[in-house]
Amino acid sequence: KQEVTQIPAALSVPEGENLVLNCSFTDSAIYNLQWFRQDPGKGLTSLLLIQSSQREQTSGRLNASLDKSSGRSTLYIAASQPGDSATYLCAVPLYSGGGADGLTFGKGTHLIIQP
Amino acid sequence: DVKVTQSSRYLVKRTGEKVFLECVQDMDHENMFWYRQDPGLGLRLIYFSYDVKMKEKGDIPEGYSVSREKKERFSLILESASTNQTSMYLCASSFGGARVAYNEQFFGPGTRLTVL
Repeated sequence: KQEVTQIPAALSVPEGENLVLNCSFTDSAIYNLQWFRQDPGKGLTSLLLIQSSQREQTSGRLNASLDKSSGRSTLYIAASQPGDSATYLCAVPLYSGGGADGLTFGKGTHLIIQP
Repeated sequence: DVKVTQSSRYLVKRTGEKVFLECVQDMDHENMFWYRQDPGLGLRLIYFSYDVKMKEKGDIPEGYSVSREKKERFSLILESASTNQTSMYLCASSFGGARVAYNEQFFGPGTRLTVL
């Protein structure tokens, strides 16, 4: 069964720093990986989806990489801002097959950007 | 933009009541999902559906059922609510079929359910 781990569980950095969030998964037979952001008490906002054939994906100040063979993904946030404060979650399909698969999630990294 | 809406943001029910949580998406997505989120346990899949009238169990289906009579609507039903079903419930949707690698999931705002 797929398991997803995110390190660190919490991170607090000053505004302006570049930072890296880590995600690892146990079964490398995935067809995509998705990064989300969650603000307190709210739903999830999709940030990036990386297909298994891709190595990285970029959106604005965010860059996500995927190394399937080692079971790892990283989310790089450049020039962090207080508005980036949130919990960041990575998720992969729950089952290794295709079709409609739910996601299995890591526990998230709680990020605080200090002004 | 994809929009997934949920019928209530907050809901308070009593033990034993039948509870309906509704989810609607406007992007003609084939797949729809129900998750619950609990502190320390994270997000867990309850049920999902890949087509009208079709449903599949997720990791924690016990105590829940679902209904999908129309493509855009997916309902989660708690037949007899219990206190251990107090949680944040999140609905999501995505494309399906041959586009599996592109199956980005989009989430609704969540329903925080309290069962007393």
